[in-house]
Amino acid sequence: GAGVSQSPSNKVTEKGKDVELRCDPISGHTALYWYRQSLGQGLEFLIYFQGNSAPDKSGLPSDRFSAERTGGSVSTLTIQRTQQEDSAVYLCASSHSTGSGTKNIQYFGAGTRLSVL
Amino acid sequence: GQQLNQSPQSMFIQEGEDVSMNCTSSSIFNTWLWYKQEPGEGPVLLIALYKAGELTSNGRLTAQFGITRKDSFLNISASIPSDVGIYFCAGQLAHDMRFGAGTRLTVKP
Repeated sequence: GAGVSQSPSNKVTEKGKDVELRCDPISGHTALYWYRQSLGQGLEFLIYFQGNSAPDKSGLPSDRFSAERTGGSVSTLTIQRTQQEDSAVYLCASSHSTGSGTKNIQYFGAGTRLSVL
Repeated sequence: GQQLNQSPQSMFIQEGEDVSMNCTSSSIFNTWLWYKQEPGEGPVLLIALYKAGELTSNGRLTAQFGITRKDSFLNISASIPSDVGIYFCAGQLAHDMRFGAGTRLTVKP
């Protein structure tokens, strides 16, 4: 697609339920990133994919968080047994590659605003 | 992970005024970037800097990559109401990108 697409744009869930957030990167971009943005804060790195593999999962805050990417394209971030502190905007970004210069510029989707009641 | 120190946190200025914000880090980066985020949207890239000492302009925006590779600034000249938003700095090393907490800019007509 023309840009990074995320769905849903808003998700309200009850504490304890599982949620799935979807990211469709820019066509041809091999690298995909998930970030979390809490209210009034900067972006917190969660996980990075190169193709279908995730060389860096260091930002996932707990084992309730997982992500996968299939076909080198769409990625799903899953949060199990959601807690109120999981409420945030989850942003996805993609880049052409992770080389130096313009090819590793990250382009962002509009995010999914998650509210855990 | 280690985040960048971005200042100021917020600015309230009159239309037509110039704005300056900066970012510092204890780590070096190969790339410095400045993004703007508006409500309900993801960050949009404004300027990317690739070399220490580089000074780059994009219209009324000017940004510099510090010589030490640990800092960057962004200037906006002759501000207009549509400049309102949150500006984030980001330092990048390969896939690793760290963000400042943002500068919230309000422009009064």
